[in-house]
Amino acid sequence: QKEVEQNSGPLSVPEGAIASLNCTYSDRGSQSFFWYRQYSGKSPELIMSIYSNGDKEDGRFTAQLNKASQYVSLLIRDSQPSDSATYLCAVRMDSSYKLIFGSGTRLLVRP
Amino acid sequence: DAGVIQSPRHEVTEMGQEVTLRCKPISGHNSLFWYRQTMMRGLELLIYFNNNVPIDDSGMPEDRFSAKMPNASFSTLKIQPSEPRDSAVYFCASTLGQEETQYFGPGTRLLVL
Repeated sequence: QKEVEQNSGPLSVPEGAIASLNCTYSDRGSQSFFWYRQYSGKSPELIMSIYSNGDKEDGRFTAQLNKASQYVSLLIRDSQPSDSATYLCAVRMDSSYKLIFGSGTRLLVRP
Repeated sequence: DAGVIQSPRHEVTEMGQEVTLRCKPISGHNSLFWYRQTMMRGLELLIYFNNNVPIDDSGMPEDRFSAKMPNASFSTLKIQPSEPRDSAVYFCASTLGQEETQYFGPGTRLLVL
């Protein structure tokens, strides 16, 4: 079992819709959770971090964390074609600064 | 402020040759990470340094790979000898420890023929 799992997609949504991206992790003791966006041919960039159960909103992005179920999700409201990218879930599993990344979900937003 | 700088951006070499990838972290950052990204395996952590000291190199695939950080502003990842399966994008990232956010460099695209 992979430590951090994501559906590879592609997830295709129409412009203006809500895109929902999911991630599960194996280590129940994980404390920090991150969503990175990676455009094709570019490097990953952080868009959201979440540390406690519940929702965290930042503009059109909402991160949701459920530690009991060991999943973290990212909602993108009013999706735009410019949101088309691969979204990587990352989990910090121990007291080090090491992140474990999922394989990423490719999102396509259709105009 | 400049971000993480990596060089070269592209490298094409022949099997058996030595390859050296370079990274300059963001000034003031005290942790540095080397990752490898492939379609098959995704983004994998190879090694990370804290205050120039290697902390975890469990991701280094084999003895052909080595990494150094002689000072706070420079790190190298060396592959000797290189093999076609080493073809990947290699990213360097840095962070100021307690902030956790990792800032990635543009990556080095390595092709080993």
